[in-house]
Amino acid sequence: GIQVEQSPPDLILQEGANSTLRCNFSDSVNNLQWFHQNPWGQLINLFYIPSGTKQNGRLSATTVATERYSLLYISSSQTTDSGVYFCAVVPRGRQTGANNLFFGTGTRLTVIP
Amino acid sequence: DTAVSQTPKYLVTQMGNDKSIKCEQNLGHDTMYWYKQDSKKFLKIMFSYNNKELIINETVPNRFSPKSPDKAHLNLHINSLELGDSAVYFCASSQVISRLWVTSSYNEQFFGPGTRLTVL
Repeated sequence: GIQVEQSPPDLILQEGANSTLRCNFSDSVNNLQWFHQNPWGQLINLFYIPSGTKQNGRLSATTVATERYSLLYISSSQTTDSGVYFCAVVPRGRQTGANNLFFGTGTRLTVIP
Repeated sequence: DTAVSQTPKYLVTQMGNDKSIKCEQNLGHDTMYWYKQDSKKFLKIMFSYNNKELIINETVPNRFSPKSPDKAHLNLHINSLELGDSAVYFCASSQVISRLWVTSSYNEQFFGPGTRLTVL
C-alpha cells in the first residue's frame, strides 16, 4: 500500500518562530489533507490540498503532486499551535467508496512561550 | 450545529463486555468511515460505508460489527471487548464523486470528536 512519511517526528519551537513540516508519499494521490490534532484529541481540518498552494492566516500549504510531497508552513507560531500535525492521502484509482485516508505518523509540535 | 458527532465521548468498560459507539453526520455525505487511533497516535481505517453498503473491512476482528441504518449514521458495535481494543475511535464522512469508471473522493473528509475506549 501507499507509504506516507512525515518529518520531523518532533519539533520544539519558541513562540514566534516559523516552521516547515514535510509529508512524502509513495504513489499518486487524489486527495491530500493536513490535520491538527489538538491536546484534547480533536482532529481539525487545516487544508484539503491535493495540489497547489493554499493559505489560511498564519498557515499555508503546498503540494507538488508530481514530486509526491506536501509542505505545511506555520509562521509566527503560538502556544495554541501545539499538538500533532498529520498528513493523510487517498491513493489514486480506488474503487467506489474506498476513499479512506492513509495517515502519516505525524509531527508532534511543542511551542514554548 | 456539529457536522460529525459521536457518542459517547468516553467509554470505560470491563473485558468481555459488549458496547456500541454511535456516529451521525449532517453534511449530506454518502460515505462514512471508522478509524482507530492506537496508543502511539497512529490512525488507521477500519471500515468504510458508501450509501449504506460496506466497502472496506480492513482486517478487523469480526467482534467489530459496523451498522449503517441510513446514509447519515454509522454505528460500531464491539463484542467481547479485549484489552487491546483500548484506543480512540474516530468516525468520518465525505462525499464521493464518480468520474467515468474510476471513483475517487475529491472532497474533504470530516472527522468526529472521537470516542476514547478504555477496556479494564
